[in-house]
Amino acid sequence: DAGVTQSPTHLIKTRGQQVTLRCSPKSGHDTVSWYQQALGQGPQFIFQYYEEEERQRGNFPDRFSGHQFPNYSSELNVNALLLGDSALYLCASSLSVNRGTNTEAFFGQGTRLTVV
Amino acid sequence: RKEVEQDPGPFNVPEGATVAFNCTYSNSASQSFFWYRQDCRKEPKLLMSVYSSGNEDGRFTAQLNRASQYISLLIRDSKLSDSATYLCVVNDRGSTLGRLYFGRGTQLTVWP
Repeated sequence: DAGVTQSPTHLIKTRGQQVTLRCSPKSGHDTVSWYQQALGQGPQFIFQYYEEEERQRGNFPDRFSGHQFPNYSSELNVNALLLGDSALYLCASSLSVNRGTNTEAFFGQGTRLTVV
Repeated sequence: RKEVEQDPGPFNVPEGATVAFNCTYSNSASQSFFWYRQDCRKEPKLLMSVYSSGNEDGRFTAQLNRASQYISLLIRDSKLSDSATYLCVVNDRGSTLGRLYFGRGTQLTVWP
């Protein structure tokens, strides 16, 4: 049973560019959340997708957008990259409360984004 | 004020030592509580959930005090393999689909 998979694992971009990160949730999970983890900090919630809609959003600008597909996989897009966007981007999947009682979040290995 | 505040650390302890981590959370409506472990440059992994009654998993004991909004983790008989960053995590679950709030983490190094 594959866990949460993210691609790519590493990425280097230039300021002003756009980037798309991808996540496939753990088998059977229907909810995907994205987190940004800066060096030395805990992960910060970006947004969450369920039933192909953004359900919750953290304190991130509109440059951060996402999408969830019918197969529950998800993308995170960041436009107009800034140096401060350099971080580890983590995807977490879980099963919505409506569909089960085990709502543990499982994390992918992350995408390490460096903006130069 | 941050949602979850943790001991700043780092903690450097010898093998066999007992070490305790603490954290506090600000949202009294928080629903569920966890400790995650994160190895260097890896993803966070669930270590254990935390309940008001307290729970134990081998050498690890977690405790929740809802009145004080305080969470603790005790590690007994530390092993070299316990070296990692320990993240205190709170889930609001105020809605059907909760979000996780992480502390900044406390780094533990166990030395031989």
